Amino acid sequence: EPEVTQTPSHQVTQMGQEVILRCVPISNHLYFYWYRQILGQKVEFLVSFYNNEISEKSEIFDDQFSVERPDGSNFTLKIRSTKLEDSAMYFCASKPGQVLTDTQYFGPGTRLTVL
Amino acid sequence: GQNIDQPTEMTATEGAIVQINCTYQTSGFNGLFWYQQHAGEAPTFLSYNVLDGLEEKGRFSSFLSRSKGYSYLLLKELQMKDSASYLCAVRDMGAGQAGTALIFGKGTTLSVSS
Repeated sequence: EPEVTQTPSHQVTQMGQEVILRCVPISNHLYFYWYRQILGQKVEFLVSFYNNEISEKSEIFDDQFSVERPDGSNFTLKIRSTKLEDSAMYFCASKPGQVLTDTQYFGPGTRLTVL
Repeated sequence: GQNIDQPTEMTATEGAIVQINCTYQTSGFNGLFWYQQHAGEAPTFLSYNVLDGLEEKGRFSSFLSRSKGYSYLLLKELQMKDSASYLCAVRDMGAGQAGTALIFGKGTTLSVSS
């Protein structure tokens, strides 16, 4: 069964450094998402991406965040200057299309630790 | 804005039935999802409701009442492996949004004992 994959599984970085989290969505899916989950807290929506542009974003997704689909398979989240509070699990998700019953499938996540 | 409430924790024993409730307030409801999340893992899809009524999928059922802003997830014949967090999430067609993002509740941690 096709899966969303994410790399790396764990990223440790120093405060102020840039990080890029990578995702390979399921191949025939059209909508891509990033969510984050701070330890012990709820899953929070960051951004959605469709047709090579941001479709919607939350208040969390400020100027330090950006997303890109550099080729036909990868979907990346860049954090320009990491802060301590960016430490969280970051989940990528994808869904086939705009049908109401479409389900979002989540990848295994990247645990980001900012020191 | 959106608000999603679910109990923080529940306990049950193997073989029992448990109902996890979720209430929500959204500006443009467009579907409710239940996901299961084991500790340190990704959420996995369990069920979806957009119309009122009950959706059954094996040991899991989910119910929705849009007029009451209420849903529940029913788990039957509980097994130890069902110990996990259960996340209620709504899709909200709020003003200016494409409406495909999921807004999650804090999750209900279910502990199943023998």
